[in-house]
Amino acid sequence: DAGVTQSPTHLIKTRGQQVTLRCSPKSGHDTVSWYQQALGQGPQFIFQYYEEEERQRGNFPDRFSGHQFPNYSSELNVNALLLGDSALYLCASSPLGAGELFFGEGSRLTVL
Amino acid sequence: GEDVEQSLFLSVREGDSSVINCTYTDSSSTYLYWYKQEPGAGLQLLTYIFSNMDMKQDQRLTVLLNKKDKHLSLRIADTQTGDSAIYFCAERPAGTASKLTFGTGTRLQVTL
Repeated sequence: DAGVTQSPTHLIKTRGQQVTLRCSPKSGHDTVSWYQQALGQGPQFIFQYYEEEERQRGNFPDRFSGHQFPNYSSELNVNALLLGDSALYLCASSPLGAGELFFGEGSRLTVL
Repeated sequence: GEDVEQSLFLSVREGDSSVINCTYTDSSSTYLYWYKQEPGAGLQLLTYIFSNMDMKQDQRLTVLLNKKDKHLSLRIADTQTGDSAIYFCAERPAGTASKLTFGTGTRLQVTL
């Protein structure tokens, strides 16, 4: 059983560009959430998707947007990249309402 | 607001027990989590506890929850060099499905 898978694993962008990160949840999980982890910090919640809609959002600007597809996979889009967007972006999945929350290995974004 | 605090560093000898502590502020927390992160990797779910429990044991791991003091601890018995990593405590407030608030992590160093 594959766990949460994310792509790409690493990428480099320049300021002002746009990026799309992808996530496939663990089998049987219908809820996907995204986190940003800056170097030396704990992860920060960006938003959560369920039934193809954004259900909750953390303290992130509108430059951060997402999408969930009918097969529960998800994308995170970041527009107008800033140097401060450099971080590890983590996707997590769970069955709705369950206690368990599993994370992927992350996508490491470097903005130059 | 929600806040989670952890000590930054813990060093133990191989074979000893490790105890990592965490305090949180949100009294509505429903679940509390412990995750492990190795260098360059994502988050590995170690264990989680529902807020109406005060203890949970899973092989070498024991979680203690003192809800009155909002204190959570993770005990690792017979600590091994492979346990060297950063350990994150996280809490999930009531009314959220996957919005976790993380601490800044405790780096566990296991020495021979």
